[in-house]
Amino acid sequence: DIQMTQSPSSLSASVGDRVTISCRASQTISSSLNWYQQRPGKAPKLLIYVASSLQGGVPSRFSGSGSGTDFTLTISSLQAEDFATYYCQQSYSNPRTFGQGTKVEIK
Amino acid sequence: QVQLVQSGAEVKKPGASVKVSCKASGYTFSNNGITWVRQAPGQGLEWMGWINGYNGDTNYAQKLQGRVTLTTDTSTSTAYLEVRSLRSDDTAFYYCARDQFGGGHNARFDPWGQGTLVTVSS
Repeated sequence: DIQMTQSPSSLSASVGDRVTISCRASQTISSSLNWYQQRPGKAPKLLIYVASSLQGGVPSRFSGSGSGTDFTLTISSLQAEDFATYYCQQSYSNPRTFGQGTKVEIK
Repeated sequence: QVQLVQSGAEVKKPGASVKVSCKASGYTFSNNGITWVRQAPGQGLEWMGWINGYNGDTNYAQKLQGRVTLTTDTSTSTAYLEVRSLRSDDTAFYYCARDQFGGGHNARFDPWGQGTLVTVSS
């Protein structure tokens, strides 16, 4: 199975900050990487697919980059509604696997 | 709009079975697959398996193989997850999600159902 490792596991940031979350795959996955946001008590929501494509309706302050084994989710200017947990997920092979999550909290 | 609506919360005893439904609307059900993901309280996301909405082909997580069955009813655009021989560590929220390009490298899960809490307790 491909293991996905996110860093950091949690972070504290202020509204307006630039936030970067990393995701590393245990083997190359090309660009088969998706990012999801999960707010407390809610289902996950797709933000970014195929490493860098913005899902429709998602604000442009979210962006993704990377290929191979190393990927990054960036929030250019953190908003109040962005405080949530973020997960990366690989679709290169079965079983699909998720990172352990990164919780973004209010500083 | 594309929407997945899941059945309500369940409480089961250890050893029992549970069947969760996921009714799709707003798109052609047979054009996409359905993926199932679970999340134990306070924990991360675990992929359980995928079913092709067109021909019923399935792919299961190895650790759940033999205890989980995915099915669909194309006449009602509904997907089903059955988990047998329930244990306390099966207590979790169970989510369905439309799986675009399921089986391929571009697969992604969108949208998700609202989740169904299954509690396993004696």
